Amino acid sequence: SQKIEQNSEALNIQEGKTATLTCNYTNYSPAYLQWYRQDPGRGPVFLLLIRENEKEKRKERLKVTFDTTLKQSLFHITASQPADSATYLCAHKAAGNKLTFGGGTRVLVKP
Amino acid sequence: EAGVVQSPRYKIIEKKQPVAFWCNPISGHNTLYWYRQNLGQGPELLIRYENEEAVDDSQLPKDRFSAERLKGVDSTLKIQPAELGDSAVYLCASTRGGEGNTEAFFGQGTRLTVV
Repeated sequence: SQKIEQNSEALNIQEGKTATLTCNYTNYSPAYLQWYRQDPGRGPVFLLLIRENEKEKRKERLKVTFDTTLKQSLFHITASQPADSATYLCAHKAAGNKLTFGGGTRVLVKP
Repeated sequence: EAGVVQSPRYKIIEKKQPVAFWCNPISGHNTLYWYRQNLGQGPELLIRYENEEAVDDSQLPKDRFSAERLKGVDSTLKIQPAELGDSAVYLCASTRGGEGNTEAFFGQGTRLTVV
């Protein structure tokens, strides 16, 4: 079955810098990769998705890339702010509506 | 538009007791998911419904867990009897489904503590 792997170590970053998170998947190439943000005590909130035939997607200060050769997606937060501190989850959407999540990476942006 | 509603928000029970969680998805969303999330980990799928049909329950511990989605709208997840290891946050999510409609909306979750 598909596995989604994210760096379990927290990412500490200075305000204004770019945070880069990694999502690796095994087996077959997913139809979509999605990224969610989760704050403590809340459910995940959808940020953006990238399709397997897309190399890059942007939304405001967020950028996602998708490399099917490396079986990897990178998630970038540019000009990071303390309000960006949260856990970021990568999710694979297979054909149909099966949605599988990685373990998440916690980001802490220091002022 | 109301989001996904879950209740209760918190539940503390003694081991071997039963417990039930309720979820009301966003109106018109055909796909409903139940996930379990342990501290510091990502959500793990327990069961997925397409309308009233459970199409993926391979991860549901069927000896003690059960779920239903009557009329393809609200859903309940039950544990009987609960074990200490069931302590976690139980998340419900829904999506309209289909191509181009892939964003999942989550409720706030039910935090279960088994003592």
